[in-house]
Amino acid sequence: AQSVTQLGSHVSVSEGALVLLRCNYSSSVPPYLFWYVQYPNQGLQLLLKYTSAATLVKGINGFEAEFKKSETSFHLTKPSAHMSDAAEYFCAVSGAGSYQLTFGKGTKLSVIP
Amino acid sequence: EAQVTQNPRYLITVTGKKLTVTCSQNMNHEYMSWYRQDPGLGLRQIYYSMNVEVTDKGDVPEGYKVSRKEKRNFPLILESPSPNQTSLYFCASSIHRGRGYTFGSGTRLTVV
Repeated sequence: AQSVTQLGSHVSVSEGALVLLRCNYSSSVPPYLFWYVQYPNQGLQLLLKYTSAATLVKGINGFEAEFKKSETSFHLTKPSAHMSDAAEYFCAVSGAGSYQLTFGKGTKLSVIP
Repeated sequence: EAQVTQNPRYLITVTGKKLTVTCSQNMNHEYMSWYRQDPGLGLRQIYYSMNVEVTDKGDVPEGYKVSRKEKRNFPLILESPSPNQTSLYFCASSIHRGRGYTFGSGTRLTVV
């Protein structure tokens, strides 16, 4: 069975500060890992994905994430937060051989002017 | 435009009245899935389909039915809705699990 843990249901950062959203996963096989963003009253948009190529993955809107197998982590970062980054972020895992996509409970990011 | 289309976007219904939420994708994806989103619980998978006539249960299938008679369509059926099925529902499709999943805009269902 696979699972995802996102540390912190709410994270607040100042505009221009570093954004760090934490994600740890468990999977019995090498996984595919994803970060999705959900803006208010909208669907989910794929930010970036890890598929066993480079461990540092760059996504849209200046976000990136690093896959660390030894720590079973896939934390999402952005060097400088913008007001437009305020949204809910979901980490998700899909194990090799399975199409089942398991989500974390989400982290709501607030950006303070 | 490549997309997943869900209808309706909003629905209020009464307990026990059968309803169907439609989902259609125009990307020729073999894999489709339904999720429900509840505050503090994230997204949980209801059912998924690997291809036409191939469906399987996800984590929370109770009270739901699905069918996959055509590749592009994957409707979600609530035979006898109850208030605990009040939720935000998303349909998603994928051509390969490593490529990610495309989500619809969501259906907000309220059962009173």
